[in-house]
Amino acid sequence: GQNIDQPTEMTATEGAIVQINCTYQTSGFNGLFWYQQHAGEAPTFLSYNVLDGLEEKGRFSSFLSRSKGYSYLLLKELQMKDSASYLCAVMDSNYQLIWGAGTKLIIKP
Amino acid sequence: GAVVSQHPSRVICKSGTSVKIECRSLDFQATTMFWYRQFPKQSLMLMATSNEGSKATYEQGVEKDKFLINHASLTLSTLTVTSAHPEDSSFYICSAPSGTGDINEQFFGPGTRLTVL
Repeated sequence: GQNIDQPTEMTATEGAIVQINCTYQTSGFNGLFWYQQHAGEAPTFLSYNVLDGLEEKGRFSSFLSRSKGYSYLLLKELQMKDSASYLCAVMDSNYQLIWGAGTKLIIKP
Repeated sequence: GAVVSQHPSRVICKSGTSVKIECRSLDFQATTMFWYRQFPKQSLMLMATSNEGSKATYEQGVEKDKFLINHASLTLSTLTVTSAHPEDSSFYICSAPSGTGDINEQFFGPGTRLTVL
């Protein structure tokens, strides 16, 4: 079966750095996405990785290792507004998105 | 980026009534749209793939006669929850792939919170 694993909840301090991990097992691979979702709102796109390596976009970076079925989202200089759920999703061979359950990130002052 | 709208954003209805949710791509054409359902503290669950001009493709376990999908144009898909019951209360979200560039990025509507009393 297809499976996406990510931690349920993480806590970090304002101004610090946090890494959210995601491991996956899917039927084929056509890219991995990270989305941010605030409570009661729809997800918003953060990043996309299809090749191994690190993609940096401002305070957010995303890393992919296809051989290990592993990705992480790195958030730097954390702000209170970064408190949200972070969803890892993999596009399988049928170009369908397989979603993780999301990681709730709590930022403390 | 591309914009997807949903209407209504919130609806409360009585058990047994039908509710229609609209999903529009505002500045691009979408031959395919996806409908998701999300229960509290759970991930998005794909319900069906809406295809312009043809029948929707439903995921296993989703009743096609209960969740009617119509994709009448390249910018509009509708989801009708027929004879809604309290267990249908959920957050319904549509999305559409942008189809631009190399990234099959999906743009999400703002979601519709359905509460069935």
